[in-house]
Amino acid sequence: DAGVIQSPRHEVTEMGQEVTLRCKPISGHNSLFWYRQTMMRGLELLIYFNNNVPIDDSGMPEDRFSAKMPNASFSTLKIQPSEPRDSAVYFCASSLRGAEGNTIYFGEGSWLTVV
Amino acid sequence: AQSVTQLDSQVPVFEEAPVELRCNYSSSVSVYLFWYVQYPNQGLQLLLKYLSGSTLVESINGFEAEFNKSQTSFHLRKPSVHISDTAEYFCAVSDYDTDKLIFGTGTRLQVFP
Repeated sequence: DAGVIQSPRHEVTEMGQEVTLRCKPISGHNSLFWYRQTMMRGLELLIYFNNNVPIDDSGMPEDRFSAKMPNASFSTLKIQPSEPRDSAVYFCASSLRGAEGNTIYFGEGSWLTVV
Repeated sequence: AQSVTQLDSQVPVFEEAPVELRCNYSSSVSVYLFWYVQYPNQGLQLLLKYLSGSTLVESINGFEAEFNKSQTSFHLRKPSVHISDTAEYFCAVSDYDTDKLIFGTGTRLQVFP
């Protein structure tokens, strides 16, 4: 079975540019999560969706960040404009709410460097 | 609000020695508990989980964790570690009412030859 698929795996961009990270959750899962991991702040939950609806976006750092889930098999996290402090690993994860204790499964991450 | 505490940020140990990574959570309700492992430059992988039933749960690579409700702990143990166990280990908790996982800050296990 395919796991959570993220793209791009690595991206280097210049400050001020728009960055779009993509995620395909595990087929059949109905919850999707975006996390950010840095050395300083560890693993942070940015936003999560259930049945394509944003449930909690309290972790989104500021208005430069936006996330969408237009359908059950695709989500994007956009940063516009990007800044060097946005450099981090961004993980997408998915789960089937109510199953397996809400076990979430992570993608391999998108490694973002903003210069 | 739920929280997870991993007191040890780093645990150095020699190969073939036993190890325990500590995890405590704060919750007054029933919870689900998880350990995830992150190898260098990779994503987080589920190592093991406690949902219900036996309080001792095991992974396929020799780790085990015991749910202790009275002490609100879910410590991870392995009787004999290998070099390949070097990784970051995250404890996480969710409760019956939410599908969010609350993660601890992680413990870096460094196994030396």
